[in-house]
Amino acid sequence: KQEVTQIPAALSVPEGENLVLNCSFTDSAIYNLQWFRQDPGKGLTSLLLIQSSQREQTSGRLNASLDKSSGRSTLYIAASQPGDSATYLCAGDIYNQGGKLIFGQGTELSVKP
Amino acid sequence: GAVVSQHPSRVICKSGTSVKIECRSLDFQATTMFWYRQFPKQSLMLMATSNEGSKATYEQGVEKDKFLINHASLTLSTLTVTSAHPEDSSFYICSALSGGLNTEAFFGQGTRLTVV
Repeated sequence: KQEVTQIPAALSVPEGENLVLNCSFTDSAIYNLQWFRQDPGKGLTSLLLIQSSQREQTSGRLNASLDKSSGRSTLYIAASQPGDSATYLCAGDIYNQGGKLIFGQGTELSVKP
Repeated sequence: GAVVSQHPSRVICKSGTSVKIECRSLDFQATTMFWYRQFPKQSLMLMATSNEGSKATYEQGVEKDKFLINHASLTLSTLTVTSAHPEDSSFYICSALSGGLNTEAFFGQGTRLTVV
């Protein structure tokens, strides 16, 4: 059974710092991996999608990588800002499972001005 | 990115009544949509897969007679919580794949259901 773990559960950093969020999964059969942002009481905003044939994706100050052999993905946030404060969720799907996503518990990020 | 709209965003209902939540893909067609449930400070748990024109596929432990799913068109799926009880109070979120299997998933804004 696929399980997704995110470390750390919570993180507080001063504004301007670069930071890394970690995501690990137990089943190497993961196909795509997607990173989301969730603000309190809101839905999910898709940040980056790493498809099965890819190893990395970048969007602005965000960079996500995927290493299937080790079962890990990282989300790198450069020059963090207070507006980055939110919960970050990673989720993976397994090939031939109809696109169902399995989520990690999330990392609650707080960026202090 | 693609837009998924969920309505209502908040609903309070009396115990024993039913509540319907709508999930619409606004600028794309979605043959498959997903319904998730999220408890406070916890992650999302998949409840069911909604398939256009056919019956939904429920995850283990989810009561299909309690959580009725209808996907009558390529842009609309509905989740009806029947005979709601306080323990059904939760945050419900739908998602749709932007272009078929193995593509990016986009989520609705979520519905906060409170059963009193």
